[in-house]
Amino acid sequence: DARVTQTPRHKVTEMGQEVTMRCQPILGHNTVFWYRQTMMQGLELLAYFRNRAPLDDSGMPKDRFSAEMPDATLATLKIQPSEPRDSAVYFCASGLVQQDYGYTFGSGTRLTVV
Amino acid sequence: KQEVTQIPAALSVPEGENLVLNCSFTDSAIYNLQWFRQDPGKGLTSLLLIQSSQREQTSGRLNASLDKSSGRSTLYIAASQPGDSATYLCAAPDGYGQNFVFGPGTRLSVLP
Repeated sequence: DARVTQTPRHKVTEMGQEVTMRCQPILGHNTVFWYRQTMMQGLELLAYFRNRAPLDDSGMPKDRFSAEMPDATLATLKIQPSEPRDSAVYFCASGLVQQDYGYTFGSGTRLTVV
Repeated sequence: KQEVTQIPAALSVPEGENLVLNCSFTDSAIYNLQWFRQDPGKGLTSLLLIQSSQREQTSGRLNASLDKSSGRSTLYIAASQPGDSATYLCAAPDGYGQNFVFGPGTRLSVLP
């Protein structure tokens, strides 16, 4: 089965450090999403790309978060500097917009900022 | 802006019961709706995708229906099993269909 791969699975870091999360979307999918999940807020969209171009990143704190797709096989989400309130599970999902599509989610990166 | 709600927030049933999970959305101009399952500490697994041209979609013991005019979708689980215990989320596209907005989920416990 094709799958979305996220690394690392877990990350513990100290406040102020840079965190980079990576996502390998399903080959051929042209839309990639980053979501954040917390107990309080549920699933929140941070940013998404279509054909590698950023379409919407209004859900991200721009001063510390950045999302990029350097190529079709890699999406990255960076936090610099990280803060304790960034602790959450970050999910990547990919899909194909040209057909009636659904999303495929990765297993997530559980981030803890201490 | 699309808003998605789900009721109940939590549900506990004995094994073997048939049950219904409800999802409501505010913007009915959607072209599909997706139901997901999430196990504790895990990612989201797609269960069913219903196109706007369909009124329902079935997979095994699961049946999802979509009523755009009323802004509702239901997920029906037949003959529930302990392995069905998980959180079930529905997701509907936003006004421009560019991304999905998720509901808060229904946490289901099926007791043996």
